[in-house]
Amino acid sequence: KQEVTQIPAALSVPEGENLVLNCSFTDSAIYNLQWFRQDPGKGLTSLLLIQSSQREQTSGRLNASLDKSSGRSTLYIAASQPGDSATYLCLEAAGNKLTFGGGTRVLVKP
Amino acid sequence: DTGVSQDPRHKITKRGQNVTFRCDPISEHNRLYWYRQTLGQGPEFLTYFQNEAQLEKSRLLSDRFSAERPKGSFSTLEIQRTEQGDSAMYLCASSLAESSYEQYFGPGTRLTVT
Repeated sequence: KQEVTQIPAALSVPEGENLVLNCSFTDSAIYNLQWFRQDPGKGLTSLLLIQSSQREQTSGRLNASLDKSSGRSTLYIAASQPGDSATYLCLEAAGNKLTFGGGTRVLVKP
Repeated sequence: DTGVSQDPRHKITKRGQNVTFRCDPISEHNRLYWYRQTLGQGPEFLTYFQNEAQLEKSRLLSDRFSAERPKGSFSTLEIQRTEQGDSAMYLCASSLAESSYEQYFGPGTRLTVT
């Protein structure tokens, strides 16, 4: 059974600290992995997508890495800001299977 | 490009009633997905279409749920004989093969079954 796990479920950091968010997956037939941000009561905003042939993607303060051998993706957010407070979700696409992690709820304190 | 839109944004219904939701994807996106999300959880995959063909359907989806995408553009998700456990946010997304199937989500439809 395909499983995607995000640990920790919640994270609180002071403003300016770097954020490291983890996503573990079990299906080695991964096609791509996508990171999203979700604000309370809202839809999902795409942050980064990494194809299985890539090792990392960068956009501004965000960097996402993918290690297929260990079944892990990591999202780094540099110099966190209060506006980064949200829930971050990863989505694994493997064949016709699409599985989200449970999310990491992030609070950046001013 | 106006993004993915969903209608209605909120729906309150009584147990046993049927409801239908609509999703309009980003134009020219050939894939369209439906997910369900309950409070504090990650979204659960329900089904997806490539053009008008329904290619995958989750085993979590009971026979009371049906989805269509008749002309390969907008899609509808119908829930028959709603139950309180159907209360959730229903999310729609679309993607394009040329963009590595990066998914773009709509704002969701929040269903409350009383």
